[in-house]
Amino acid sequence: AQSVTQLGSHVSVSEGALVLLRCNYSSSVPPYLFWYVQYPNQGLQLLLKYTSAATLVKGINGFEAEFKKSETSFHLTKPSAHMSDAAEYFCAVTGGYNKLIFGAGTRLAVHP
Amino acid sequence: GAGVSQSPRYKVTKRGQDVTLRCDPISSHATLYWYQQALGQGPEFLTYFNYEAQPDKSGLPSDRFSAERPEGSISTLTIQRTEQRDSAMYRCASSHGETQYFGPGTRLLVL
Repeated sequence: AQSVTQLGSHVSVSEGALVLLRCNYSSSVPPYLFWYVQYPNQGLQLLLKYTSAATLVKGINGFEAEFKKSETSFHLTKPSAHMSDAAEYFCAVTGGYNKLIFGAGTRLAVHP
Repeated sequence: GAGVSQSPRYKVTKRGQDVTLRCDPISSHATLYWYQQALGQGPEFLTYFNYEAQPDKSGLPSDRFSAERPEGSISTLTIQRTEQRDSAMYRCASSHGETQYFGPGTRLLVL
């Protein structure tokens, strides 16, 4: 079975600071991993994905994530936070036939 | 269409009523998924379609929930005899490959 754990339901950073959102997964098969972002009153938007190619994945809006098999992690980072990054972020793993298993989400707040 | 659309965006209903939610996927996408997202949680899988076939209904919470995709494009999710615990965001996604593209969701409130 697959599962995802996102450490920290709320993360708060200052504008310009490093963003680090943590995701650990469990999977009995080689995983595909995804980060989605949800802005208020909008649908889930794909930020980036890992599909067994390069372990460092770059996404939209300056975000990137690194797949670390030994740590079963897929943490999301951005060097410098912007106010517009305030949103809820979801990590997900495929659970077979591309059914997504999501974490509970991390709400990112960015302060001036 | 250009993206996944869902209707209605908001639905308020009384306990015991039936509701039907609609999803219009990206036109070239064979696979369509339904998810339920409770407040403060991540989306949870309900069911999926590959064209009109529905290989897996295991995520549907009870037999009050059903979904259709009769012509392999638009899909509906019907909840019969709604209960307050059915209140949630219902999300539809479509895919062609490993990436799922989500619609804006339907927020259902059962009073």
